[in-house]
Parts: sequence; structure tokens; C-alpha cells
Amino acid sequence: DVKVTQSSRYLVKRTGEKVFLECVQDMDHENMFWYRQDPGLGLRLIYFSYDVKMKEKGDIPEGYSVSREKKERFSLILESASTNQTSMYLCASSPDRYSNQPQHFGDGTRLSIL
Amino acid sequence: AQTVTQSQPEMSVQEAETVTLSCTYDTSESDYYLFWYKQPPSRQMILVIRQEAYKQQNATENRFSVNFQKAAKSFSLKISDSQLGDAAMYFCAPPSRGSNYKLTFGKGTLLTVNP
Repeated sequence: DVKVTQSSRYLVKRTGEKVFLECVQDMDHENMFWYRQDPGLGLRLIYFSYDVKMKEKGDIPEGYSVSREKKERFSLILESASTNQTSMYLCASSPDRYSNQPQHFGDGTRLSIL
Repeated sequence: AQTVTQSQPEMSVQEAETVTLSCTYDTSESDYYLFWYKQPPSRQMILVIRQEAYKQQNATENRFSVNFQKAAKSFSLKISDSQLGDAAMYFCAPPSRGSNYKLTFGKGTLLTVNP
């Protein structure tokens, strides 16, 4: 089974802090995704990566950046956290851009910015 | 961003009965996959079922089946013999515009199963 592991289930940070959310997958998947989930809005794609050091902006990239230095790890970075970034963050992975395989999700990180 | 509409924010069903969750979407792709995901209170998103758009036959996975109407861009999920463990938020996920590997998620339907 694919395992997608997010480093924290809950995280509390302060406004202005630099925040790192880490995600690791163990199935050698090429694609990795970061989503934000808010009540009534569903999941919205923040960033996507299809290979090491490759990234694409999603629908809501403002205020976020990402890093993919190794294939198995995809980090989401809040450069200067703000209260409107309080949310649930979900990481996902899928094999590649060609096989139309489903995405596999981590357990999510509930981030609170005070 | 692409439009995905789940018109029922909440639904409830009696245990052992059948319920259908609706989803409509917009895409210009001709060959694509669509997915339904389930998110129970434990939070992890779990794949429920997948449909290939070029297949005429509707996908079935045990008690879960879809009614896929390609021309109408409709992709509903039917849950038969509902169980208490089916209670969750359900998300429809067709492909994003111009992409077969990125998904656009609907806003979700919260399903309650009554004993």
C-alpha cells in the first residue's frame, strides 16, 4: 500500500513565522500535491510537483512556496504565516502524469496561525 | 479554475437503504478519469471508486457504483445497503481543465447514516 506521511497532525504557529509542512511518500511516485481544505470550499490545489526540483502553481499559490529536493519529499513553506492561512493541509501523491492513477493522501495537518 | 458542482451539501440515509450523491463538472477533455473520494471523521481521504470516461460501462465497487453520463458531464455515486461506516464527507474529483493528472475537487457532500 502507498504510504503518504505528513510530519504533523496538528501545528500551532504565530503570525509572521516561517512554517514548514513536510510530506513523504514511499512509492517512488513522480507527482506530489499540496492542497488546502476549508469548510464549504472543498480541496484547493496550492502547488504541484511532477519531478525533483519541478513545480507548478495551483489555484491558490499566493503566500506559499514549495521545495522538492528529493523524489520522496515535498515541502510546503509559508514564508510569513498569516491568520488567513489557518486551515487543514493535505498532501497527496500519484505515480506519474500519464497513467491516470488515483492520488493517495496523507492524514492531513491542521495548522493554526495565532 | 474548473467548475465542479456537488449540489447536495448534506444528505442523510437510513442504514441498509440506498442513497445517491450527485456531481456535475465541466471539461474539454475527451479521454479522462473521474474519482469519488471519501473523508471520514478520521480525516484521511480514501478512494471510493474510479470511472474511465471512454468506457460505456459504469464502474462498480461492491456496494458503490456510479452513474456516468459523459455527454451531460454528470458523475453520481450510488451507495447501496448503507452502513454506519459510510458516514463521511464525499468528494467528486474530475480532471482539471487541460490536465489528466491534476484533479479539481467538488465542495463535498456530508453523508449521515441513521441507525
